[in-house]
Amino acid sequence: AQSVAQPEDQVNVAEGNPLTVKCTYSVSGNPYLFWYVQYPNRGLQFLLKYITGDNLVKGSYGFEAEFNKSQTSFHLKKPSALVSDSALYFCAVTRVGGFQKLVFGTGTRLLVSP
Amino acid sequence: KAGVTQTPRYLIKTRGQQVTLSCSPISGHRSVSWYQQTPGQGLQFLFEYFSETQRNKGNFPGRFSGRQFSNSRSEMNVSTLELGDSALYLCASSLFAGSDTGELFFGEGSRLTVL
Repeated sequence: AQSVAQPEDQVNVAEGNPLTVKCTYSVSGNPYLFWYVQYPNRGLQFLLKYITGDNLVKGSYGFEAEFNKSQTSFHLKKPSALVSDSALYFCAVTRVGGFQKLVFGTGTRLLVSP
Repeated sequence: KAGVTQTPRYLIKTRGQQVTLSCSPISGHRSVSWYQQTPGQGLQFLFEYFSETQRNKGNFPGRFSGRQFSNSRSEMNVSTLELGDSALYLCASSLFAGSDTGELFFGEGSRLTVL
């Protein structure tokens, strides 16, 4: 069965500084990996995904993520954080092959201070 | 293009009652997934429906059930409510089976409070 770990409940960063939100995964076979963001009282919004190809994936709002197969990680990054990036971020994994459920991590709250 | 619509947005029930939540996916989307979100457990997968058939199921008791209609709209039902069922229930739709693309489109959720 697939699983995701987000080791940090909260990440604090100052506006303008780079940010990293960590994610490690476990899956048998090849993974599909995703990042979603949730703003207060809203549903989740898709940010980016890794299916195959380049290990560095670029997504919405200037976010990117790096797939590292040997470390089974898929960390979310942004070169320069904005206050408006403050939200709850979820990493998710599924296994290649039809009708495999998408499993989410417990989420990391990102707080960007002015 | 309208997004995923969930109704009701908020509801309060008492223990032992049952509840039905509704989800209308984006037009043309055939897959609907349901998730339970709680502060302690994060997002827990409930089930996924594709073309009216349940394709996948999470580890929830039989009190949690769902169905999908021919127009892809979906409902989930929770019977004999318990305090621990208080949560935000999120519905997500996708064009194909959710896991094949991973890009799920979420509704804003139905917040259930059980007293």
